[in-house]
Amino acid sequence: EAQVTQNPRYLITVTGKKLTVTCSQNMNHEYMSWYRQDPGLGLRQIYYSMNVEVTDKGDVPEGYKVSRKEKRNFPLILESPSPNQTSLYFCASSFSSGSLYEQFFGPGTRLTVL
Amino acid sequence: LAKTTQPISMDSYEGQEVNITCSHNNIATNDYITWYQQFPSQGPRFIIQGYKTKVTNEVASLFIPADRKSSTLSLPRVSLSDTAVYYCLVEHGSSNTGKLIFGQGTTLQVKP
Repeated sequence: EAQVTQNPRYLITVTGKKLTVTCSQNMNHEYMSWYRQDPGLGLRQIYYSMNVEVTDKGDVPEGYKVSRKEKRNFPLILESPSPNQTSLYFCASSFSSGSLYEQFFGPGTRLTVL
Repeated sequence: LAKTTQPISMDSYEGQEVNITCSHNNIATNDYITWYQQFPSQGPRFIIQGYKTKVTNEVASLFIPADRKSSTLSLPRVSLSDTAVYYCLVEHGSSNTGKLIFGQGTTLQVKP
């Protein structure tokens, strides 16, 4: 089944404790992206990657890191999480970076930083 | 990217046709209109995309008038499972960042 998977689905952590949210897709997509969704603010893009070893900042990159060492994986790293990073996170992928390509979203990771 | 305006919420009953209108007065020549659907606790899902006139797929129809300043997503004979948030997006055809700009969306509540 073609899908985007994220792990963990739920995470409660404390301020400053480094964490990684994994994202993997099995569709051989070139393009991958991370969004966060907050009430009243909609979905905002954090980082995106057009291909292996190619990443760039989205609208809200502060406090996050990403890497793209393999085509299928695009982990989101929070080196020192803070409470304002409490949010619902979605990974997405598509065949290409062109905005007209359908994007496939993962199930989401709900992160709480205490 | 063009800003979109949609109703915050809509109610409907099972079996009815639902039309959600999106306003995008500043749409540019190369912009396309795309709709996504999001169920609670799930990621958004692509529904339909169009440039002008009418597009239909197995899920919905999209109507775009000649001036393209608005568009209407039509869901035929909705069921309870169509309860979701529907997002209207305007995407530049030549953009290569892949960034999707989601507004507040329209929360559709289908009642029995």
